[in-house]
Amino acid sequence: QSALTQPPSASGTPGQRVTISCFGSSSNIGSNTVSWYQQVPGAAPKLIIHTNDQRPSGVPDRFSGSKSGTSASLAISGLQSEDEADYYCSAWDDRLRGVFGGGTKLTVL
Amino acid sequence: QVQLQESGPRLVKPSGTLFLTCDVSGDSISSSNWWSWVRQPPGKGLEWIGEIYHVGSTNSNPSLKSRVTLSVDKSKNQLSLNLTSVTAADTAVYYCARGQYSSPSDFYLDYWGQGTLVTVST
Repeated sequence: QSALTQPPSASGTPGQRVTISCFGSSSNIGSNTVSWYQQVPGAAPKLIIHTNDQRPSGVPDRFSGSKSGTSASLAISGLQSEDEADYYCSAWDDRLRGVFGGGTKLTVL
Repeated sequence: QVQLQESGPRLVKPSGTLFLTCDVSGDSISSSNWWSWVRQPPGKGLEWIGEIYHVGSTNSNPSLKSRVTLSVDKSKNQLSLNLTSVTAADTAVYYCARGQYSSPSDFYLDYWGQGTLVTVST
């Protein structure tokens, strides 16, 4: 059981906007920032959002993040076939550990 | 460009010890970063194992803490992970990653190794 809760799957058609949620608690998302990772099959995770809503250099602005209270969201606009991947949220937990969500498999229909 | 590369035995016997190293290039182990280990069982999600700072400070996942030892070798610019008393449940792809803390509450992993699959089996 993951410390952060994500829906197991999400889907959308090319060009659509999709949102993936991440629910935590006061000890993690409620008091620390959230990051998001994209993982395509067979590859290592890639950081796409950090500090709730900051994109690293090279990440398209189609990806955006937000946080409110003990939950966070990743939004992908203008969905493309190459966005098909697993997405994980993560945060620091005040019990001195990093935590991840269970992951959301995004399918581009 | 920061690069990380994990290496070590791909097969470990049950009750044995898993030992992996992670070679870092493009950054110094002694920089102001923490260095994490993350694992991913086949077909499952990510699990944070622990992190180490170059002076030797560590934090570990409570579920693994009693079995995990993290260390750094500054002369080789290398991290290492030691996991004892392994079982089949420890079969996973193991990643090393660079951790960033722009503030105490702002944790994220900006560079990852490619990962190495370790299987626990007889």
